[in-house]
Amino acid sequence: QSALTQPPSASGSPGQSVTISCTGTSSDVGAYNYVSWYQQHPGRAPKLMIYEVTKRPSGVPDRFSGSKSGNTASLTVSGLQAEDEADFYCSSYAGGILLFGGGTRLTVL
Amino acid sequence: EVQLLESGGGLVQPGGSLRLSCAAAGFTFSSYAMTWVRQVPGKGLEWVSAINSGGGSTYYADSVRGRFTISRDNSKNTLYLQMSSLRAGDTAVYYCARDPKNVLSAFDIWGQGTMVTVSS
Repeated sequence: QSALTQPPSASGSPGQSVTISCTGTSSDVGAYNYVSWYQQHPGRAPKLMIYEVTKRPSGVPDRFSGSKSGNTASLTVSGLQAEDEADFYCSSYAGGILLFGGGTRLTVL
Repeated sequence: EVQLLESGGGLVQPGGSLRLSCAAAGFTFSSYAMTWVRQVPGKGLEWVSAINSGGGSTYYADSVRGRFTISRDNSKNTLYLQMSSLRAGDTAVYYCARDPKNVLSAFDIWGQGTMVTVSS
């Protein structure tokens, strides 16, 4: 049950785009379309931003988008805004268990 | 308003037991799978356990299997996590969350978390 691999940090200036990767294996990310992304601000509970690789829950801006290629999923945040600064976590179904990534701290410069 | 409210956290000695509760409101609790996720302060998220809507299927992370038991009472709109043989490594904020699509798919509603500290 190894965690998914995310870069510890990412950054971009307001208005720019940034992409965060989430690398798993053929037993988790590569095997199922149950990849999700969560945003967490300090002291707050996580918030679902993307589910089933590409779908956005109601209320999530379309600046957030998800994709997957092979064993790697990605979250792209376009038109960066100051309020996007937070920790982001990916997760994937892995056959009876769920794996999270280690998290990526997104900094808006 | 759709919400989840955890309770039951606190300080417990190593080897001790604790039961967490998660009260649901604002939605048909019995229609949803539910899950527990924990987070050591300042660290990442770790999935702990999940249960299907009827309570007949349960799932555990290797780190807690055999020590933790997830259950639910749909008549009381409440999810539980019975924790035993607690270790220092179980110290974390414990969140309950709703799983709207399928077990272990995605978690759309989260509680505010309850802190569990395992220490002598």
